Amino acid sequence: GQQLNQSPQSMFIQEGEDVSMNCTSSSIFNTWLWYKQDPGEGPVLLIALYKAGELTSNGRLTAQFGITRKDSFLNISASIPSDVGIYFCAGLMMDSNYQLIWGAGTKLIIKP
Amino acid sequence: EAGVTQSPTHLIKTRGQQATLRCSPISGHTSVYWYQQALGLGLQFLLWYDEGEERNRGNFPPRFSGRQFPNYSSELNVNALELEDSALYLCASRLGGRHSPLHFGNGTRLTVT
Repeated sequence: GQQLNQSPQSMFIQEGEDVSMNCTSSSIFNTWLWYKQDPGEGPVLLIALYKAGELTSNGRLTAQFGITRKDSFLNISASIPSDVGIYFCAGLMMDSNYQLIWGAGTKLIIKP
Repeated sequence: EAGVTQSPTHLIKTRGQQATLRCSPISGHTSVYWYQQALGLGLQFLLWYDEGEERNRGNFPPRFSGRQFPNYSSELNVNALELEDSALYLCASRLGGRHSPLHFGNGTRLTVT
């Protein structure tokens, strides 16, 4: 099925570093969601975006709804060990009866 | 408020058997979604139930089926299990309306041997 292009696929980070990841599509979306999944658990909603250009923060996390409505970005500032996990973006197209389109995930790994 | 609960947490079956997975949504949520997540991979949409009706299904064979009960809890049934059905099965629920995102349970880990 259709998927969003999420990048990078994985990232090795050192504690204290800033992290950026993004999702892009050739289609227009009217909602962008960012989830985080820890091992053995279900995804947890981090940030929801509903308006083009919207910039929303949740603690050290900041996400933006791209102005073209075709992309979204998630930034994590000053990463800490508990940030490791898999981050998924999900988008909702107009008139889609809430059928989310999912990215393949970005895996954050702490450098030893 | 309790979150989405799924049972069992782990399930081991042999090829050809049937598996039944259960999900209780957040109180007040009427929509339930099922996803399959194979190891190390993303979320693949399986089924969507709302108000007791199947609203949509993903690209999965008919041996994947389910239902939603009057109390909005849901059951996913997988018949004639195959080895490649081994995965984490996630249930999510939501209220209606555009600004109501999905809330996930912690999944059932199904292993088919």
